[in-house]
Amino acid sequence: DAGITQSPRHKVTETGTPVTLRCHQTENHRYMYWYRQDPGHGLRLIHYSYGVKDTDKGEVSDGYSVSRSKTEDFLLTLESATSSQTSVYFCAISAGEGSYGYTFGSGTRLTVV
Amino acid sequence: GIQVEQSPPDLILQEGANSTLRCNFSDSVNNLQWFHQNPWGQLINLFYIPSGTKQNGRLSATTVATERYSLLYISSSQTTDSGVYFCAVARNSGNTPLVFGKGTRLSVIA
Repeated sequence: DAGITQSPRHKVTETGTPVTLRCHQTENHRYMYWYRQDPGHGLRLIHYSYGVKDTDKGEVSDGYSVSRSKTEDFLLTLESATSSQTSVYFCAISAGEGSYGYTFGSGTRLTVV
Repeated sequence: GIQVEQSPPDLILQEGANSTLRCNFSDSVNNLQWFHQNPWGQLINLFYIPSGTKQNGRLSATTVATERYSLLYISSSQTTDSGVYFCAVARNSGNTPLVFGKGTRLSVIA
């Protein structure tokens, strides 16, 4: 969707290195979410944000941190990447307050070797 | 936390056939959405349907909130309908994030 972009689209990194994934939106939506998708698990929530500097943990937050210093950007950081964090990462946005449909980015495929 | 069960896990259809996908959830919800993930990985929102019935072309969805299930109907299926269909729910319609089921993988064969 043109209103939300993720970068990079693909990344290969080594175990133990820090990695930052970026989600950028142009919709001025309040809510932003990071999910990971793994075979057999569907999508699982990592962290989410309900406003600038307002974030909370999801189901699988261990090993991840996030930051949201402005409305349009939501960053996901793997402090020290592990092979178990090899996954496809999706960012989603939602306006909330009467318009709760999620719009997803195209995803980032991360491989930790 | 809330549990979401989707059935069947896999479905193979001949082009032109109809299908029904089911989503059961373990608690009352105020937010329920259906998504389609195409073979290229893109997730598309199909319906926001915490209750009632909606239709969009060949697709329709019904949620019976009091009985904790939702159904997605696909009529006259086409090969472009292939992919994975996800149901996702949340207790509150506000900022509570969606919890996803594991999906139904649909393959439509010409």
